[in-house]
Amino acid sequence: KAGVTQTPRYLIKTRGQQVTLSCSPISGHRSVSWYQQTPGQGLQFLFEYFSETQRNKGNFPGRFSGRQFSNSRSEMNVSTLELGDSALYLCASSLAGTAGEKLFFGSGTQLSVL
Amino acid sequence: GDSVTQMEGPVTLSEEAFLTINCTYTATGYPSLFWYVQYPGEGLQLLLKATKADDKGSNKGFEATYRKETTSFHLEKGSVQVSDSAVYFCALSDGSSASKIIFGSGTRLSIRP
Repeated sequence: KAGVTQTPRYLIKTRGQQVTLSCSPISGHRSVSWYQQTPGQGLQFLFEYFSETQRNKGNFPGRFSGRQFSNSRSEMNVSTLELGDSALYLCASSLAGTAGEKLFFGSGTQLSVL
Repeated sequence: GDSVTQMEGPVTLSEEAFLTINCTYTATGYPSLFWYVQYPGEGLQLLLKATKADDKGSNKGFEATYRKETTSFHLEKGSVQVSDSAVYFCALSDGSSASKIIFGSGTRLSIRP
């Protein structure tokens, strides 16, 4: 069974641009969540999608948004990029996102903002 | 709010040494506790978990016991290997969702042959 796939693996953007990251969950998983990992702030929860609806949200500005498609694939968008958005963005999937379920993480997309 | 504090790294040990990585938490309810591991260039993998007080999670020789009285979940391994070199994250979930996890800052572990 294929794992969680994130594309692209690396991205370089400049300030003010926008970026879209993609995540394909494990087959059969309907919950997809996103995390930002930085050396200064560590790992922080961005949001979770289930059945094409955002179900949970962390404390990030509105520049960070996402969506989920009917096949459970998810995209995350960051608009008006800032230097501080440079980070490893991790996606995780689970069957239904129910408390106690195991999360499966992708290898991440490394975003560098210049 | 809920939070997790774990020992600063990096931690460097020789192969076959005993490992302890300390983790304490603050939570208003009865969280589930986790240890995740991140190998170089990879995403996080769940190493072990415990869902209630006095539970012991174990996997691949690693163990951690959920101590409610000391609000701790220290990670231990009796004899580390070079392949254990990675970053270890202590984390908690308040039980409302699988995805709303609060992570500690991570501890980088390096094992010398």
